[in-house]
Amino acid sequence: QKEVEQDPGPLSVPEGAIVSLNCTYSNSAFQYFMWYRQYSRKGPELLMYTYSSGNKEDGRFTAQVDKSSKYISLFIRDSQPSDSATYLCAMEAGGSARQLTFGSGTQLTVLP
Amino acid sequence: GAGVSQSPRYKVAKRGQDVALRCDPISGHVSLFWYQQALGQGPEFLTYFQNEAQLDKSGLPSDRFFAERPEGSVSTLKIQRTQQEDSAVYLCASSFGSYNEQFFGPGTRLTVL
Repeated sequence: QKEVEQDPGPLSVPEGAIVSLNCTYSNSAFQYFMWYRQYSRKGPELLMYTYSSGNKEDGRFTAQVDKSSKYISLFIRDSQPSDSATYLCAMEAGGSARQLTFGSGTQLTVLP
Repeated sequence: GAGVSQSPRYKVAKRGQDVALRCDPISGHVSLFWYQQALGQGPEFLTYFQNEAQLDKSGLPSDRFFAERPEGSVSTLKIQRTQQEDSAVYLCASSFGSYNEQFFGPGTRLTVL
């Protein structure tokens, strides 16, 4: 079993819909939680960066972390065709363990 | 550009050839990471540098993989005697300090025939 599990999709929604993306994890040492967006043939681009449990909002994006359930979510409001990409969750234990552990990615298509 | 750059963007190698992949981090970024991303998967950690010191190489899949960052800036990932299973996108990321977010380059797509 992988340390980080993510539904690969694909997920297809109409423009303007609310999108919910989720990851679960098994390593309780993870303290930093990130969401990256990756367009085809591009490198991952950081969308949200959160520490420990709680919510963080940035424009149309909201990240939620529930450490007690080992579950993180990304919500996209008023989704746009330009949001079509693969979304990767990533986690870091911090301290000397700087490497990110990624989910497998969810491919999202927003239809105009 | 102010981002992480990687070269070449695409590399085709015959099985058994050696390859060298280059990463230019964002200026001033102390930490540098290499990841391997197989098709349809998330990136997987290979190795981590802080300045010129390689602090973690636990993700390197075999002794055919070698990384260096001799002057604490540009880094090179070398793969010797390439195998078909080495085909993947190799991503480089850098961060300013020990507790900062990682910024990724566009990757090098390696195809081993």
